[in-house]
Amino acid sequence: EDQVTQSPEALRLQEGESSSLNCSYTVSGLRGLFWYRQDPGKGPEFLFTLYSAGEEKEKERLKATLTKKESFLHITAPKPEDSATYLCACYNAGNMLTFGGGTRLMVKP
Amino acid sequence: DVKVTQSSRYLVKRTGEKVFLECVQDMDHENMFWYRQDPGLGLRLIYFSYDVKMKEKGDIPEGYSVSREKKERFSLILESASTNQTSMYLCASTWGGARSPLHFGNGTRLTVT
Repeated sequence: EDQVTQSPEALRLQEGESSSLNCSYTVSGLRGLFWYRQDPGKGPEFLFTLYSAGEEKEKERLKATLTKKESFLHITAPKPEDSATYLCACYNAGNMLTFGGGTRLMVKP
Repeated sequence: DVKVTQSSRYLVKRTGEKVFLECVQDMDHENMFWYRQDPGLGLRLIYFSYDVKMKEKGDIPEGYSVSREKKERFSLILESASTNQTSMYLCASTWGGARSPLHFGNGTRLTVT
């Protein structure tokens, strides 16, 4: 059975304090890994897709990386508006998607 | 931009009522999904559909049914609502496969009393 585990469950940062969120996966034949951002009371919003180990994608203060066992979402000099829950999800060889439990990020001014 | 619209943001229903949650997407996507999201349990797949009139059970289909009469519309039906179905319900659509991320609606927060 595929498993996607995110850590930590919650992370509190000061504005400007860089950090990383982790998504570790055990998936049969990974075909793609997605990162989403979810604000309270809203649906998840797509951020990135990564397909193979070594791949990196960037968007503003966010950078996602992928290895054969895990993905990191690096947040550089975060701002309060980066506060949200970040979800990762993996597609397996059978085109089934498994979500992780999410990391709730709080950035204090 | 893809738009996935869920008809209600908030719903309050009584135990035993039949509840309809509606979802419409405007990008001609083949695939549509219904998830529920609960604290500590994450996103769980209820049902999905690969085409009009087709449906597949997800991980937690008990107590739910779905209808897809038109490509753009996917409805979730709670035949007899129960308090343990109080949750946030999220609809999503996609072209399909690893090259196409899910696009989500803003959710319906359902409370069953």
